[in-house]
Amino acid sequence: GAVVSQHPSRVICKSGTSVKIECRSLDFQATTMFWYRQFPKQSLMLMATSNEGSKATYEQGVEKDKFLINHASLTLSTLTVTSAHPEDSSFYICSARVAGFENTQYFGPGTRLTVL
Amino acid sequence: QKEVEQNSGPLSVPEGAIASLNCTYSDRGSQSFFWYRQYSGKSPELIMFIYSNGDKEDGRFTAQLNKASQYVSLLIRDSQPSDSATYLCAVNNFGNEKLTFGTGTRLTIIP
Repeated sequence: GAVVSQHPSRVICKSGTSVKIECRSLDFQATTMFWYRQFPKQSLMLMATSNEGSKATYEQGVEKDKFLINHASLTLSTLTVTSAHPEDSSFYICSARVAGFENTQYFGPGTRLTVL
Repeated sequence: QKEVEQNSGPLSVPEGAIASLNCTYSDRGSQSFFWYRQYSGKSPELIMFIYSNGDKEDGRFTAQLNKASQYVSLLIRDSQPSDSATYLCAVNNFGNEKLTFGTGTRLTIIP
């Protein structure tokens, strides 16, 4: 299957700082990537759809000015959590869509963010 | 009504038995269906996808799709303790890049 990496895997930061998370498709080009958030014992929540070369599409209730998404190349999308607060502590997971009508998504390993 | 429904479990199955996981969906326009496995603290891992009615087998896993009844299932034969995880059903609708996920079924294989 297709391989997706994320960096960093774990980050701890102080309240008010910004954190950037990278998502890379390693062996395929991904015109579309997705960013999810998952709180403990809860289901995946889609935050936004990231398209290469265009602005991300955010799900309802997700602040686009707080969660900045950039998809500058066919293999890299970044999520920046700006002015992070403790309530932003969560497991952030990206996925990349493989071209084809099935719209298969492969997930990165996730980034665990802890905001103190 | 949720778009994709799964029994949250937990579902307990003895080691070596067949585990059966079910998923129903509401949109008749759905075209492709996915099963992901998620271990605690890890991200989802694709097990298999199916888009045609009937069965699709891959090793110990068999996905079954019945579009008329709007359900998709996953059978795990010869269940192993390592199969203990949460299984997510996901559905893709025609013309939409996004996947709609169920809330997952927690499966425990009892040694």
